[in-house]
Amino acid sequence: AQKVTQAQTEISVVEKEDVTLDCVYETRDTTYYLFWYKQPPSGELVFLIRRNSFDEQNEISGRYSWNFQKSTSSFNFTITASQVVDSAVYFCALSGPGGGYNKLIFGAGTRLAVHP
Amino acid sequence: GAGVSQTPSNKVTEKGKYVELRCDPISGHTALYWYRQSLGQGPEFLIYFQGTGAADDSGLPNDRFFAVRPEGSVSTLKIQRTERGDSAVYLCASSPGLAVTDTQYFGPGTRLTVL
Repeated sequence: AQKVTQAQTEISVVEKEDVTLDCVYETRDTTYYLFWYKQPPSGELVFLIRRNSFDEQNEISGRYSWNFQKSTSSFNFTITASQVVDSAVYFCALSGPGGGYNKLIFGAGTRLAVHP
Repeated sequence: GAGVSQTPSNKVTEKGKYVELRCDPISGHTALYWYRQSLGQGPEFLIYFQGTGAADDSGLPNDRFFAVRPEGSVSTLKIQRTERGDSAVYLCASSPGLAVTDTQYFGPGTRLTVL
């Protein structure tokens, strides 16, 4: 079975703080993909990143960075120097041949509130 | 260009009624997906189409739910005999194709409330 767990329901930080959103996944597939999406108050999910299971290199994009660790089945997301515009619900997701590559399995999400 | 659009943005109906939710994908996208998002949860897969055909409908909860995409573009999700438990945000997404690297782009959703 495939499963994604985002244990942090809500996080509240003050602007300019760094914040890490945790994501732990379960899958029996050896090849799989991991994703992060952002859902701002408007409701539309915005794609942030896709990672395949063979690429464990950390990725940095501006203030965003992702740490993929197969040994702990985690794909954590860090926002450096957070801004008010980062306030949103963030979802981690998984897909693989077991459930179908085109079916995204989402976690329950972490609501991030960044205060001025 | 235009993103995925969904209509209506909000739908309130009474228990037992029939509803239709519409999705207009990004132009040229051949794959279209429906997800359902209950309050405080992540989206759950319902069905996806490649062209006109449903490639995988394993997420549809029961036979009251049905979706069509007759011309390979616009899709309609149909729910018969609505129940209060059907209340959720229904999200539509589209992607250029079915390659694993084809990103799913989501619409704003339709919030369905069944009274």
